[in-house]
Amino acid sequence: NAGVTQTPKFQVLKTGQSMTLQCAQDMNHEYMSWYRQDPGMGLRLIHYSVGAGITDQGEVPNGYNVSRSTTEDFPLRLLSAAPSQTSVYFCASSAGASVNTEAFFGQGTRLTVV
Amino acid sequence: SQQGEEDPQALSIQEGENATMNCSYKTSINNLQWYRQNSGRGLVHLILIRSNEREKHSGRLRVTLDTSKKSSSLLITASRAADTASYFCAPRSNDYKLSFGAGTTVTVRA
Repeated sequence: NAGVTQTPKFQVLKTGQSMTLQCAQDMNHEYMSWYRQDPGMGLRLIHYSVGAGITDQGEVPNGYNVSRSTTEDFPLRLLSAAPSQTSVYFCASSAGASVNTEAFFGQGTRLTVV
Repeated sequence: SQQGEEDPQALSIQEGENATMNCSYKTSINNLQWYRQNSGRGLVHLILIRSNEREKHSGRLRVTLDTSKKSSSLLITASRAADTASYFCAPRSNDYKLSFGAGTTVTVRA
């Protein structure tokens, strides 16, 4: 049982490039979400999904796209990278049947945009 | 969703001492969760307390919840170097979104 797996762990992009951060979970969780964490700050919710085919925006969605074609995968796409998107990105998942469930987090992707 | 606000922002204690941190939130909740983040790692769930519970224990952790004051506290007893981390609370209403504040950074000195 791997839990939540994020790839890559580190990435450097040039301004204007696009890329996809991968997130996969093997716990059959319905709910998945993406956060970004900037120095000295908490995690801010980018996008989330309550099941395959269903996604919605969080607090800071601009510049990011998501899709959820399977229960296991929830990729985050940066359309045109900007230095303001330099951050650490975390993916999380939780069982969706109840709000009384814990979230499981991946180890993060550290992204630098130059 | 709503985010909690942790207090203090930072805490430095000697190994063996207790550490207490607080969380305040604004609207009614279904439950409140505490998470730990070791430097550069993902968050790890510590404990969940439901709105109808007042206190919960897990090993050296003790969490209290006062819904009338919209606040919670996390107590770590007999702290160890491995407890050095940031701690976040996440008050959860009737949706799946979890929001996090800036956290409390705890440093345990040897």
